[in-house]
Amino acid sequence: AQSVTQLDSQVPVFEEAPVELRCNYSSSVSVYLFWYVQYPNQGLQLLLKYLSGSTLVKGINGFEAEFNKSQTSFHLRKPSVHIRDTAEYFCAVSSDNYGQNFVFGPGTRLSVLP
Amino acid sequence: DSGVTQTPKHLITATGQRVTLRCSPRSGDLSVYWYQQSLDQGLQFLIQYYNGEERAKGNILERFSAQQFPDLHSELNLSSLELGDSALYFCASSRLAGKNTPGEQYFGPGTRLTVT
Repeated sequence: AQSVTQLDSQVPVFEEAPVELRCNYSSSVSVYLFWYVQYPNQGLQLLLKYLSGSTLVKGINGFEAEFNKSQTSFHLRKPSVHIRDTAEYFCAVSSDNYGQNFVFGPGTRLSVLP
Repeated sequence: DSGVTQTPKHLITATGQRVTLRCSPRSGDLSVYWYQQSLDQGLQFLIQYYNGEERAKGNILERFSAQQFPDLHSELNLSSLELGDSALYFCASSRLAGKNTPGEQYFGPGTRLTVT
């Protein structure tokens, strides 16, 4: 069975500062990795995904993530955050071609302070 | 707009009642997923359908059931409702990104269920 850990439940950061949201997973097979963002009172929206190839993945809104197989991590980063980045961020993992075993982490609430 | 629609947006009902939540996936997506999101439990996977057939089951209670119809829309039925069933219920859909490659899930706006 797979699992996803997001160690930080809340991350406060000042505007224009860099941020890293951590995600670690456990799986006995190859995985596909995703980051989603949920703005207040909205559904989840895909930020970026890793399926194969380059381990550095760029997504929307200036976010990027790096897949590290040896450390089983997929941390999300942004060099300079904006107030509008305040949201809940979810890491997810799938090991199945048909989207089964799609497991979400508990989420990290990013609060960008002025 | 993800292309996934859910109705109704809000639902208020009493304990013991039964409700049906509806989801229309993005055009061309064969997989539909249902999730429950509450403050204390986070985002919980309930069930997945693929082209009309149940594909995976998560933490879905026996009081809950779902189905996917030939036109690929899906319904989640919640019965004998309890106060603890109050939550946001999301539907998501996906398709294969390529041969042997899963696609990402696209989420609907959710249905907020309040049980009083």
